[in-house]
Amino acid sequence: GENVEQHPSTLSVQEGDSAVIKCTYSDSASNYFPWYKQELGKRPQLIIDIRSNVGEKKDQRIAVTLNKTAKHFSLHITETQPEDSAVYFCAAGPGGGYNKLIFGAGTRLAVHP
Amino acid sequence: GAGVSQSPRYKVAKRGQDVALRCDPISGHVSLFWYQQALGQGPEFLTYFQNEAQLDKSGLPSDRFFAERPEGSVSTLKIQRTQQEDSAVYLCASSTPDIYGYTFGSGTRLTVV
Repeated sequence: GENVEQHPSTLSVQEGDSAVIKCTYSDSASNYFPWYKQELGKRPQLIIDIRSNVGEKKDQRIAVTLNKTAKHFSLHITETQPEDSAVYFCAAGPGGGYNKLIFGAGTRLAVHP
Repeated sequence: GAGVSQSPRYKVAKRGQDVALRCDPISGHVSLFWYQQALGQGPEFLTYFQNEAQLDKSGLPSDRFFAERPEGSVSTLKIQRTQQEDSAVYLCASSTPDIYGYTFGSGTRLTVV
């Protein structure tokens, strides 16, 4: 089955700096890679996703890149703000709303003013 | 409904007690997923349904865990003879085949004492 590894487990940056979180996956059948943000005590919320037919996707300050050959994908946050502080989870799965996702262990991002 | 609703929000159970956790998905969402999230960890897949059919229950940790969705809408996750290691947040998510990504509920925090 699918296995997703996520690094780093914690990340501390100064406001305005960039943050990068990396994930690797094992199952070549996976073709959908979402990223979720979870604030303390709240539900995970989808912030961006990418499918295997594209290599990069950007939405304002966040971007995701995918390397299917190497089986890794990354989240990039530019111009970080204190409200970006949260736990971020990557996930991988075969795609579509009817398939399970396997999640990474999470990265706790702290953005210091 | 407008979102995925889970109840109760918090549950304290004595060891050995049975519990039932409810999930009410977004109206029209045919897929429903249950995840277990231990403190400081990523969501771990338990089981999922497409309509009333349970398509994958490979993540259920033991035969004490049972999930059902008899009419293809509301789902219940039942845990029999609860143990301390069952303490976690249980997240429900719903989706539909023509969209990507899940919508999560707020979760039920189960504490077994």
